[in-house]
Amino acid sequence: DIQMTQSPSSLSASVGDSVTITCRASQSIRSFLNWYQQKVGEAPKLLIHSASSVLSGVPSRVSGSGSGTDFTLTISSLQPEDFATYYCQQTFSTPTFGPGTKVDIK
Amino acid sequence: VQLAESGGGVVQPGGSLRLSCKVSGINFSIYWMHWVRQAPGKGLVWVSHINSDGSTTGYADSVKGRFTISRDNAKNTLFLQMNSLRPEDTAVYYCALEKITVSSLDYWGQGTLLAVSS
Repeated sequence: DIQMTQSPSSLSASVGDSVTITCRASQSIRSFLNWYQQKVGEAPKLLIHSASSVLSGVPSRVSGSGSGTDFTLTISSLQPEDFATYYCQQTFSTPTFGPGTKVDIK
Repeated sequence: VQLAESGGGVVQPGGSLRLSCKVSGINFSIYWMHWVRQAPGKGLVWVSHINSDGSTTGYADSVKGRFTISRDNAKNTLFLQMNSLRPEDTAVYYCALEKITVSSLDYWGQGTLLAVSS
């Protein structure tokens, strides 16, 4: 199975900050990478598919990039509703998720 | 689009349980479906998927041979039959619908909790 890692595992930020989360695959997954946001007590929500395609309705401050083994999720100008846990997911082979990155308020 | 899981509960180790996921608001019969679980306080773990007509299935190694995914397109319902349950299967189980691209989990249910304990 392809292993996914994320860094950092958690971060503290303030409203208005820009944050970047990194996701790394154990082998090339081309652009088969999705990003999800999960708030406490809620189901995950798909934000980005295919590494950089932002879903309709997702704020423009959210962006994704990368290909091969290294990917990033960037949220510019963090808003109160962005405080959540973010997961990457590879879909190049049997799907696997990264361990998650918790973004909380500083 | 709505997905509603049911069937969770408390089961003893070695026991069995079947989860259901009722889908509405979309043409269920043309989409792949997935189960994902999340142990308390832990991350997301993909469990299983099934193609639109039920002819192709896949499983995580941790559940292979114990869990069986199936679907009834006439009833817009997805199932997960879980046998030989272990304490480490304790989790919230989500069903999810794949729509945009391969294994993108576009729509999710609210989850159903399985606790395996004696």
